[in-house]
Amino acid sequence: DGGITQSPKYLFRKEGQNVTLSCEQNLNHDAMYWYRQDPGQGLRLIYYSQIVNDFQKGDIAEGYSVSREKKESFPLTVTSAQKNPTAFYLCASSLAGQGGQETQYFGPGTRLLVL
Amino acid sequence: DAKTTQPPSMDCAEGRAANLPCNHSTISGNEYVYWYRQIHSQGPQYIIHGLKNNETNEMASLIITEDRKSSTLILPHATLRDTAVYYCIVRVALMRTASKLTFGTGTRLQVTL
Repeated sequence: DGGITQSPKYLFRKEGQNVTLSCEQNLNHDAMYWYRQDPGQGLRLIYYSQIVNDFQKGDIAEGYSVSREKKESFPLTVTSAQKNPTAFYLCASSLAGQGGQETQYFGPGTRLLVL
Repeated sequence: DAKTTQPPSMDCAEGRAANLPCNHSTISGNEYVYWYRQIHSQGPQYIIHGLKNNETNEMASLIITEDRKSSTLILPHATLRDTAVYYCIVRVALMRTASKLTFGTGTRLQVTL
């Protein structure tokens, strides 16, 4: 079954704790993305990666970190520096070389709540 | 980033066509218009995209005006399962093979019996 998986579906974080959200894709896509969605709002880009071992900051990267050691995986760490981490986190991926039509496909999301 | 404007909500009777408008008056000549939808607490689902010409797939049709300043997503026979928030997005190229989708607040479509 191909697609993008995110785990866990729900994640609870204590004050001062770092937590890592998983994103895996078996679509052989080159680019991967992390977005954040707050209630009643649209999505905002946190980080993105075009290829393995390379990633770039998006619009709201402060308090987050990522790695891209494998093509299939793009985990996001929410650090203690992120003061307002409660949100719905969405991972997406896209295939390169589409002449400007790199359609992004999204995973089911992880809802992060602060205890 | 090219900004899009959508009505906050719309209603549609089941079986009728749902026409969702979007304004993107600052769109550049090489920027694509994308449509996604999001059902509550799920990831956005890709629907369709286009540049200049009208497009149709198994889910919907996309009509883009000749000046490209607006577009309309058409769901030809809406069902209750089409109830969702619909996002019109102008794709912004970040690097050669990556892009950013700037999601606004979208249009909440309610399909009723």
